[in-house]
Amino acid sequence: ETGVTQTPRHLVMGMTNKKSLKCEQHLGHNAMYWYKQSAKKPLELMFVYNFKEQTENNSVPSRFSPECPNSSHLFLHLHTLQPEDSALYLCASSQGDESSLGYGYTFGSGTRLTVV
Amino acid sequence: AQSVTQLDSHVSVSEGTPVLLRCNYSSSYSPSLFWYVQHPNKGLQLLLKYTSAATLVKGINGFEAEFKKSETSFHLTKPSAHMSDAAEYFCVGGEGGQNFVFGPGTRLSVLP
Repeated sequence: ETGVTQTPRHLVMGMTNKKSLKCEQHLGHNAMYWYKQSAKKPLELMFVYNFKEQTENNSVPSRFSPECPNSSHLFLHLHTLQPEDSALYLCASSQGDESSLGYGYTFGSGTRLTVV
Repeated sequence: AQSVTQLDSHVSVSEGTPVLLRCNYSSSYSPSLFWYVQHPNKGLQLLLKYTSAATLVKGINGFEAEFKKSETSFHLTKPSAHMSDAAEYFCVGGEGGQNFVFGPGTRLSVLP
């Protein structure tokens, strides 16, 4: 285990369902991230939270809704998704300040999402 | 703005032979650079990092990388490939703030 835990590991949902992905870290990090990894595409940064405040939203459709109730937990709420949203969703955390440059990210194992 | 380029989308080597995965970056000053490995259906694991200390960096599983500022490169090497090294490898750069730039990845295949 890396210290960043993602649940569930696998999720199959219909296009009309509502589900949530959860990410948890107890590394004392202050920044948390959601990335989307699709087949044959580069990693896409979706959302960044730094000290619980959303600092970046890379033009992500509103059917994805993040929530960061505290610096240890990050959620990604999903509703009315499309089949092209099927991907591996990765959560990561970092120190959240300039010291992150020396430490990089710690990643979770990801949630494999399939939209049917 | 920084960019990270991985020149090969796929590299195939025989078990026991050397591995070379190439990474080039563009940056206005010395960046922090990382290599991550991702095995199938797993998250990304940090292999090694360069943060302006020694230019030759040793990582886990026998991998190492050399930062060459004159060539803006940070290539990943291993003297002898093992079957368990088959995975996707990402070069990552960090220049400012807390966000990082990912290369597109190189898939390493190891043939018996």
